[in-house]
Amino acid sequence: AQSVSQHNHHVILSEAASLELGCNYSYGGTVNLFWYVQYPGQHLQLLLKYFSGDPLVKGIKGFEAEFIKSKFSFNLRKPSVQWSDTAEYFCAVNARAGNKLTFGGGTRVLVKP
Amino acid sequence: DVKVTQSSRYLVKRTGEKVFLECVQDMDHENMFWYRQDPGLGLRLIYFSYDVKMKEKGDIPEGYSVSREKKERFSLILESASTNQTSMYLCASNGGGRTDTQYFGPGTRLTVL
Repeated sequence: AQSVSQHNHHVILSEAASLELGCNYSYGGTVNLFWYVQYPGQHLQLLLKYFSGDPLVKGIKGFEAEFIKSKFSFNLRKPSVQWSDTAEYFCAVNARAGNKLTFGGGTRVLVKP
Repeated sequence: DVKVTQSSRYLVKRTGEKVFLECVQDMDHENMFWYRQDPGLGLRLIYFSYDVKMKEKGDIPEGYSVSREKKERFSLILESASTNQTSMYLCASNGGGRTDTQYFGPGTRLTVL
């Protein structure tokens, strides 16, 4: 069975700081990887996804993530955060053998103005 | 724009009641999903459906059932609600490919007293 770990449950940082959120998964086969974001009071929405090709993936709002297969990781980064990046971020994995997403526990990010 | 709607944003029920949560998508998607979202646990898959009248158990199906009589509608049923089913319930849909983005509804916050 696949599982996903997000090591930081809460992150607090100031505007213009850099953000990196860790995500590790356990699954021996080929996977698709996703980062979703949930802004306060809004729907969960896709930030970016990886399924093949360049392991550095760029998403919306200046976010990017790097897939490192040897480390089973898919960390999310943003060089300079804004107050509007305050949200909860979820990493998710979809094993190629199925259509089910497995989510990590989420990381709540608070950006102080 | 893909639209996934859920019948209620907030619902309060009593222990033992039968509860129906409805989800409708307007993009002719093949797959529909029900998750529950709990703090620190992320999203956990309850059931999903890949076609009308077809369903598969997710990771936590106990205490729940589902119905998909029409392609656009996917219902989650709590046969006899219990307090440990107090949670946020999210519906999602996607078009069928394993790399396809899942689109989420706004969620229903269910409280069971």
